Amino acid sequence: SAVISQKPSRDICQRGTSLTIQCQVDSQVTMMFWYRQQPGQSLTLIATANQGSEATYESGFVIDKFPISRPNLTFSTLTVSNMSPEDSSIYLCSGGTGYEQYFGPGTRLTVT
Amino acid sequence: EDQVTQSPEALRLQEGESSSLNCSYTVSGLRGLFWYRQDPGKGPEFLFTLYSAGEEKEKERLKATLTKKESFLHITAPKPEDSATYLCAVLRTGGYNKLIFGAGTRLAVHP
Repeated sequence: SAVISQKPSRDICQRGTSLTIQCQVDSQVTMMFWYRQQPGQSLTLIATANQGSEATYESGFVIDKFPISRPNLTFSTLTVSNMSPEDSSIYLCSGGTGYEQYFGPGTRLTVT
Repeated sequence: EDQVTQSPEALRLQEGESSSLNCSYTVSGLRGLFWYRQDPGKGPEFLFTLYSAGEEKEKERLKATLTKKESFLHITAPKPEDSATYLCAVLRTGGYNKLIFGAGTRLAVHP
């Protein structure tokens, strides 16, 4: 199994600013993903974080708004740029293999 | 288009009343089907991965099965602590790996 940690656990940010969320895995993993989860809803995939190269984004998500880095097999960051109140959500990262995927506790973001 | 559909949306059971949750999928290049449990305010907790039709996996009161088009999560004699949202997700390949979630089933087990 893998243990996923995220920082920060929560934050309150002002409109127009940016926040970088860190995701750390306690072991090397082949796959890492970033998700957004609105209250009471399921997980929406933002992007697949690719080690050493650009992330692969899903429809409706763009690199300028959600830049993602993955410099190695245990760490990734997601930046939420130029935030608006609509970006208020829980952001989750996952890491694992094709056999198991584990999730972090999430980052609760509120934009005022 | 890749799609994962879960039913029912919500399920209320009495303690000890067994039932099943359904996850149907349409995806190209299925690599695995994952089941998760999510409690309020927490990240999803990994339960099972199924890879091929006919496969079954068990954990305590939970048993997951897989066919070519759907998966079932059977809950036998549930207890109140089984109350949670159960999510299924499919990992597909085809260009790049992608883990896609269904909307989830909210399970409430009452004493």
